[in-house]
Amino acid sequence: GAVVSQHPSWVICKSGTSVKIECRSLDFQATTMFWYRQFPKQSLMLMATSNEGSKATYEQGVEKDKFLINHASLTLSTLTVTSAHPEDSSFYICSATGLAASTDTQYFGPGTRLTVL
Amino acid sequence: KQEVTQIPAALSVPEGENLVLNCSFTDSAIYNLQWFRQDPGKGLTSLLLIQSSQREQTSGRLNASLDKSSGRSTLYIAASQPGDSATYLCAVRTPGTASKLTFGTGTRLQVTL
Repeated sequence: GAVVSQHPSWVICKSGTSVKIECRSLDFQATTMFWYRQFPKQSLMLMATSNEGSKATYEQGVEKDKFLINHASLTLSTLTVTSAHPEDSSFYICSATGLAASTDTQYFGPGTRLTVL
Repeated sequence: KQEVTQIPAALSVPEGENLVLNCSFTDSAIYNLQWFRQDPGKGLTSLLLIQSSQREQTSGRLNASLDKSSGRSTLYIAASQPGDSATYLCAVRTPGTASKLTFGTGTRLQVTL
């Protein structure tokens, strides 16, 4: 089946630094990738949708200059949290859909736990 | 704006019991509905996907039903096991939203020995 990986699985950083999270589709070409964040005991909230080769579409209330998304290839999307602060600490999950995979289904990565000190 | 709610928020049952998780959505014009499982600190595992034209889907001990007109779906788990302990999320895909999913609030299930 379609597999999506994320790296790193967890990261701890100091306030003010930037952190990059990678999302890869391992066995299919992901034309569209989605980035979600999840606070403890809460549901997933969509942050942005990215299509390969074009700018990401951000959900209302998500700062595009703070959460930089790059979908440079059909198998890789990156989320960079710039100038991270403790309130950015969260669980970030990506998902992908696209070619050679059911377009009705999003395949989710295992998530990245970000802790900002 | 689509809103998805799940009841109950948490549930604890003894092993072997059959149980039902509920999901409701405000906009009945959905493309499909999906049930996911999430283990603590992990990503999502897709369990069942029901198209808007379908009424139910089954996989093993899991059965999901969809009543689109009333904005409801249920996930039925038969003969529950401790390994079923997890958070269960439902999500709907609404037409015209570029495959975006709207997630419910989740039900945390604990199956005890």
